[in-house]
Amino acid sequence: EVQLVQSGAEVKKPGESLKISCKGSGYSFTSYWIGWVRQMPGKGLEWLGIIYPGDSDTRYSPSFQGQVTISADKSISTAYLQWSSLKASDTAMYYCARHTDSLETADYWGQGTLVTVSS
Amino acid sequence: QSVLTQPPSVSAAPGQKVTISCSGTSSNIGNNYVSWYQQLPGTAPKLLIYDNNKRPSGIPDRFSGSKSGTSATLGITGLQTGDEADYYCGTWDSRLSFAVFGGGTKLTVL
Repeated sequence: EVQLVQSGAEVKKPGESLKISCKGSGYSFTSYWIGWVRQMPGKGLEWLGIIYPGDSDTRYSPSFQGQVTISADKSISTAYLQWSSLKASDTAMYYCARHTDSLETADYWGQGTLVTVSS
Repeated sequence: QSVLTQPPSVSAAPGQKVTISCSGTSSNIGNNYVSWYQQLPGTAPKLLIYDNNKRPSGIPDRFSGSKSGTSATLGITGLQTGDEADYYCGTWDSRLSFAVFGGGTKLTVL
């Protein structure tokens, strides 16, 4: 069974750093792209970027380039999303999702990680 | 503002049929497959339709998808109260080189 299990909720202050994780199981982790999606409170889905764990090829949405860093450790089948300096506007639910070869479809999703940034 | 355009809300009575539209351009819907996702309240999105009209295992045939040109449509028949959710269309944009979503449509089953 394919599963993506994300790390737990985080409460941080503005300016702090953060790294959240997404662990894949039940499939070949290095053979599928993993994407990250943001959902701000009461809003829709926004795609941040994507990584291919097999060779760490990474692509970002222009809106998020430079704002977040996506990485992966294939030895432990885990992808990461990190911030170096959080802002209040980063408060949101973040989902990881496995993409099919064509990148058009996210077929399995993690349960989400709620990030709250507040002073 | 989302790259793909969906109506903010739709509603229908139990047992009825509803359609949700998704409009894009030649760089996204026009030349790539469309997927649809269902997000029940308080849960993660779930894949409902992929490759324009295919259903993953376990998705009932009450859900259907179609595409014509730069638009796609999700159809739901035999509406149930459990279908109340937000529905999102998504695809890849070949010009922007990243995935794009519609703004989401809230389905209310009256």
